[in-house]
Amino acid sequence: AQSVTQLGSHVSVSEGALVLLRCNYSSSVPPYLFWYVQYPNQGLQLLLKYTTGATLVKGINGFEAEFKKSETSFHLTKPSAHMSDAAEYFCAVRMNQAGTALIFGKGTTLSVSS
Amino acid sequence: GAGVSQSPSNKVTEKGKDVELRCDPISGHTALYWYRQSLGQGLEFLIYFQGNSAPDKSGLPSDRFSAERTGGSVSTLTIQRTQQEDSAVYLCASSLGGVSTDTQYFGPGTRLTVL
Repeated sequence: AQSVTQLGSHVSVSEGALVLLRCNYSSSVPPYLFWYVQYPNQGLQLLLKYTTGATLVKGINGFEAEFKKSETSFHLTKPSAHMSDAAEYFCAVRMNQAGTALIFGKGTTLSVSS
Repeated sequence: GAGVSQSPSNKVTEKGKDVELRCDPISGHTALYWYRQSLGQGLEFLIYFQGNSAPDKSGLPSDRFSAERTGGSVSTLTIQRTQQEDSAVYLCASSLGGVSTDTQYFGPGTRLTVL
């Protein structure tokens, strides 16, 4: 069965520091990969997704992620954290098969301090 | 444009009661999903509707859970004889189609508390 592992349930960074949120998936066939963000008391919002093509994907709010097949990873990065980036981040996968749902990681809460 | 809406935003019920949660997907979206978000379990898939096809109910945790989608639009998730472990945030999402690359757009969720 597919699974998604997000290393670190909590990550704390200073404003202006690099943000790195880790995500690994288990699959013999590379799935489609997604990162969602959830701000307090709001629904999930898509940050970026990888389906095919370029393995470095740019998303909203300055975030990007790189698909590395050899490492089965899809880590999320942002060069310089803003206070407004504080939220919960979810990595998700979906198989290349019609009618499949998203499988989510447990989430990583990002805290940004001034 | 209007996004996915869910109602109620909060629901408090007593153990053993039935509850209905509503989801209005984005207009024109043929695919609709229900997920549950709870502490310790993260986000779990519950059920998926695609057009007029039979729904994928593989994620429903028990036969107390059911869902329907009327007219290919609004969906209702029903939990019968609620238990305390049903307490969670129930999220609805919709996408344009059922293609795996389609983006799923999420509603704000319904927070269910079972006393």
